Amino acid sequence: GENVEQHPSTLSVQEGDSAVIKCTYSDSASNYFPWYKQELGKGPQLIIDIRSNVGEKKDQRIAVTLNKTAKHFSLHITETQPEDSAVYFCAASMRGGTDSWGKFQFGAGTQVVVTP
Amino acid sequence: EPEVTQTPSHQVTQMGQEVILRCVPISNHLYFYWYRQILGQKVEFLVSFYNNEISEKSEIFDDQFSVERPDGSNFTLKIRSTKLEDSAMYFCASINPERRTEAFFGQGTRLTVV
Repeated sequence: GENVEQHPSTLSVQEGDSAVIKCTYSDSASNYFPWYKQELGKGPQLIIDIRSNVGEKKDQRIAVTLNKTAKHFSLHITETQPEDSAVYFCAASMRGGTDSWGKFQFGAGTQVVVTP
Repeated sequence: EPEVTQTPSHQVTQMGQEVILRCVPISNHLYFYWYRQILGQKVEFLVSFYNNEISEKSEIFDDQFSVERPDGSNFTLKIRSTKLEDSAMYFCASINPERRTEAFFGQGTRLTVV
């Protein structure tokens, strides 16, 4: 089955700097890669996602890149702000039949701390 | 913004007791999921549910677990005889692939088995 590895487990950045989180996956059939942000006391919330037919996607200060050949994808946060402090999870799924659309393999999570 | 709600936020139960974790998915969603996260470990898929039946389940989801959508709005996870190793955060999620493909997660229920 699919296995997703995520690094680093913790990331401390100065406000205004960039943060990068990297994930690798094992199953070449995976074709959908969401990133979730989890704040204290809340459930995971989707912040950006990418499908396997796209190499890069950007939404304001966040971007995700995907390298299908190497089976890795990364989250980039630019101009970090204190409110970016949270746990970030990468995930992978194989979206074939609609039953599988919500079945994810998650990475272990990255605790991001943005210091003012 | 629509949201998935879970109750209770924290449940403490004695080993061997039955627990029911409740979720109210977003109203027009069609697919429902339970995940769990044991402290310090990854979020793990438990089960998916569609059209009033289980569509897929993981190895974790053994005979001690069951899911139900009793009234068209609630989606429940029952653990019949809890074990210490069932202590975890349990997340419910729902999705409507016909509209938005995003999976919405609830805030979780922390289950502590003592």
